[in-house]
Amino acid sequence: VTLLEQNPRWRLVPRGQAVNLRCILKNSQYPWMSWYQQDLQKQLQWLFTLRSPGDKEVKSLPGADYLATRVTDTELRLQVANMSQGRTLYCTCSGQGGISNERLFFGHGTKLSVL
Amino acid sequence: GDSVTQTEGLVTVTEGLPVKLNCTYQTTYLTIAFFWYVQYLNEAPQVLLRSSTDNKRTEHQGFHATLHKSSSSFHLQKSSAQLSDSALYYCALSEGTQVVGQLTFGSGTRLQVYA
Repeated sequence: VTLLEQNPRWRLVPRGQAVNLRCILKNSQYPWMSWYQQDLQKQLQWLFTLRSPGDKEVKSLPGADYLATRVTDTELRLQVANMSQGRTLYCTCSGQGGISNERLFFGHGTKLSVL
Repeated sequence: GDSVTQTEGLVTVTEGLPVKLNCTYQTTYLTIAFFWYVQYLNEAPQVLLRSSTDNKRTEHQGFHATLHKSSSSFHLQKSSAQLSDSALYYCALSEGTQVVGQLTFGSGTRLQVYA
């Protein structure tokens, strides 16, 4: 059973252009939605966790700037800007019990490549 | 802050032989759960094992790991490696001070099983 629907699966991004990613939660029992990045060296890094509709956060990391938004109880968005190196962005869900020791479920991921 | 160390970037083993992937960690705060995630080629990471109890062996799909807080380790082992075990393996932890959904991942160990 797929808990998360993540699209697009792959995007080619012209240098200097922003891209918008979307993630849909299919099971409300795991309401804590997060974004992770996996860089070209396969390092996985937590970016954001957004629980409530209206929550927004920004972050700048080497190679990209991020803006995450929890749009609704089931939709999470991520804008990626100023990307200089390719990466894969994963949406995750967790927190059935509402505590931080719960495992993560990953979406299929969106692979971004810089043109 | 906390960190997870996986010393081997690549481990190779012949099918049928035992395999061990190392994981050690360093935390400043109370760490409440430890995980092993596996990522098969062109797929998203998925949880393999989870543990939060010191000196208790945890098993799944033929793999096992025991959390040893005295040595800050959570090594992954299997007595007989299979070709299908070839994948990227991540050790991860969650701290009590982190938000739900936030895990700290090691750099990953690629396991290659040969016939």
